[in-house]
Amino acid sequence: GIQVEQSPPDLILQEGANSTLRCNFSDSVNNLQWFHQNPWGQLINLFYIPSGTKQNGRLSATTVATERYSLLYISSSQTTDSGVYFCAVPNQAGTALIFGKGTTLSVSS
Amino acid sequence: ETGVTQSPTHLIKTRGQQVTLRCSSQSGHNTVSWYQQALGQGPQFIFQYYREEENGRGNFPPRFSGLQFPNYSSELNVNALELDDSALYLCASSSGSPKNTEAFFGQGTRLTVV
Repeated sequence: GIQVEQSPPDLILQEGANSTLRCNFSDSVNNLQWFHQNPWGQLINLFYIPSGTKQNGRLSATTVATERYSLLYISSSQTTDSGVYFCAVPNQAGTALIFGKGTTLSVSS
Repeated sequence: ETGVTQSPTHLIKTRGQQVTLRCSSQSGHNTVSWYQQALGQGPQFIFQYYREEENGRGNFPPRFSGLQFPNYSSELNVNALELDDSALYLCASSSGSPKNTEAFFGQGTRLTVV
């Protein structure tokens, strides 16, 4: 089945710094989602991005489907950005999302 | 617009017992999927329900079962609980296949088996 790899596994930043999270996937996909998991466990939708670039405030994402990767950019990070970031792609049957292991981001003031 | 809601938020059960978790899908969504997330891991797909039928299943034993109701809400049932079933259980709803539509998640039910 399709494999999803995220890097780095852990990231520690000072408030105000920028960061780039990467998601590689092993097969062609129809879509890709980025999530932020808050401390209470809820997965918050960040981007639904099959291809191209999208921006939402300080966050932006780029998916290059032909090269099987996606990048999540966080600019001017804040302590509230801390948490685990997941990317997920659909399986071949289209019945499930396959998640990476996540990137744990810690932003300190 | 009401988002995905799950109940209960926390639950403690004893090994061997049975548990039922509930999920109300987001308004307009007809597909519900369940995921298990162990500590420090990404969510793992359990199964998906579409039009009240199971529409795909991950690598979970038959003691994990589910239902979807005509209003598209869903239940996850786990029989003969084991200690390794302790995890965060997440429900997601969408308006179709994950291949083509965005999935939205509830806040999860944290199950502890003792």
